[in-house]
Amino acid sequence: DQQVKQNSPSLSVQEGRISILNCDYTNSMFDYFLWYKKYPAEGPTFLISISSIKDKNEDGRFTVFLNKSAKHLSLHIVPSQPGDSAVYFCAASGANFGNEKLTFGTGTRLTIIP
Amino acid sequence: DSGVTQTPKHLITATGQRVTLRCSPRSGDLSVYWYQQSLDQGLQFLIQYYNGEERAKGNILERFSAQQFPDLHSELNLSSLELGDSALYFCASSVEPDRGRAGQETQYFGPGTRLLVL
Repeated sequence: DQQVKQNSPSLSVQEGRISILNCDYTNSMFDYFLWYKKYPAEGPTFLISISSIKDKNEDGRFTVFLNKSAKHLSLHIVPSQPGDSAVYFCAASGANFGNEKLTFGTGTRLTIIP
Repeated sequence: DSGVTQTPKHLITATGQRVTLRCSPRSGDLSVYWYQQSLDQGLQFLIQYYNGEERAKGNILERFSAQQFPDLHSELNLSSLELGDSALYFCASSVEPDRGRAGQETQYFGPGTRLLVL
């Protein structure tokens, strides 16, 4: 049962354009969402997060949008740069006090074309 | 560099064998998490330790066990290995065991151990 879904395994975007990565979730108990970026041979690196009390969080070129009614979040990268080429994982956690396990999606491989 | 170290980076072994993966958390972090990433899968939570005590369990097989030592490093033991255990195993650490009053704790990941069972 995949509670966090990233339906696009890969995405290619021209350098300078906007990259939009999508994530859907099914568990309504999730209330905190994170995006991790992963380069080959490295562990995931935290990128940006959003709490369910917000619908938008921005950090430089990265913005995460949360649509609770649709159980959908997206990561926008503007402008896209070659160094953004990586696998992006969406993750979620629930309000189960004492257990901060993250539930991850399967990832989207983003390729920025120079 | 996240500050989380994992050894070894690569491990090749045979079915039926037993291996130990090691993780050293970031300085000051008390909580350690283990995740498994199989081919084309997301990371699956296995187990969490906080300050030496088991805190939460996920989809961890009975053949697998873990512990966290007084110096806060953690080991994940995988026994009676099967072909399907081939995967990337990640360790992550955070300061607190849960969000509590501090809010969500970001988990910082190590580079992973790639296990290949032949």
